[in-house]
Amino acid sequence: QKEVEQDPGPLSVPEGAIVSLNCTYSNSAFQYFMWYRQYSRKGPELLMYTYSSGNKEDGRFTAQVDKSSKYISLFIRDSQPSDSATYLCAMVHGNQFYFGTGTSLTVIP
Amino acid sequence: KAGVTQTPRYLIKTRGQQVTLSCSPISGHRSVSWYQQTPGQGLQFLFEYFSETQRNKGNFPGRFSGRQFSNSRSEMNVSTLELGDSALYLCASSLSHYGYTFGSGTRLTVV
Repeated sequence: QKEVEQDPGPLSVPEGAIVSLNCTYSNSAFQYFMWYRQYSRKGPELLMYTYSSGNKEDGRFTAQVDKSSKYISLFIRDSQPSDSATYLCAMVHGNQFYFGTGTSLTVIP
Repeated sequence: KAGVTQTPRYLIKTRGQQVTLSCSPISGHRSVSWYQQTPGQGLQFLFEYFSETQRNKGNFPGRFSGRQFSNSRSEMNVSTLELGDSALYLCASSLSHYGYTFGSGTRLTVV
């Protein structure tokens, strides 16, 4: 079993929709949780960072962590075509990062 | 502030050859990590260097090696290339667990 599981999609939504992206994990020692966004032909860029259970909001993005269920989510409100990218969840234990395989999202105008 | 710079951006090599990829981290970042990204496997950790020492290593064969210089610049080397080594190789630098900054990667194609 992989330590981080992420549904690869692809996910296709109309512009303005609310998008929900999810990851589950097995290692309860994970301390920090992140979401990265990766556009085609680019490296991933850090989108959201959190270290505790609960919600963290940044503009149209909300990161949610449920440590008791070992489940994290990223919500995108009022999705835009420019949000079309691959989204990767990542978790940290010690000095090591663990990534999900990424979910491909397309927002249709 | 300059980002993470990886060179070259694209590379085509023949099976059996060796290749060296370069990464210049953000100024002040002492940790440099390397990842292999493929459509099927996602991001797979290769190794991490901190202050010229390998701090962590992933599950890759010994054909994959790396090093870090005193100015934090890093190189990774793959010897005896195989077709399956075709991938996007990403370098990331960080100050701490607060997150990586990735470069744009080197696209390696082995033919």
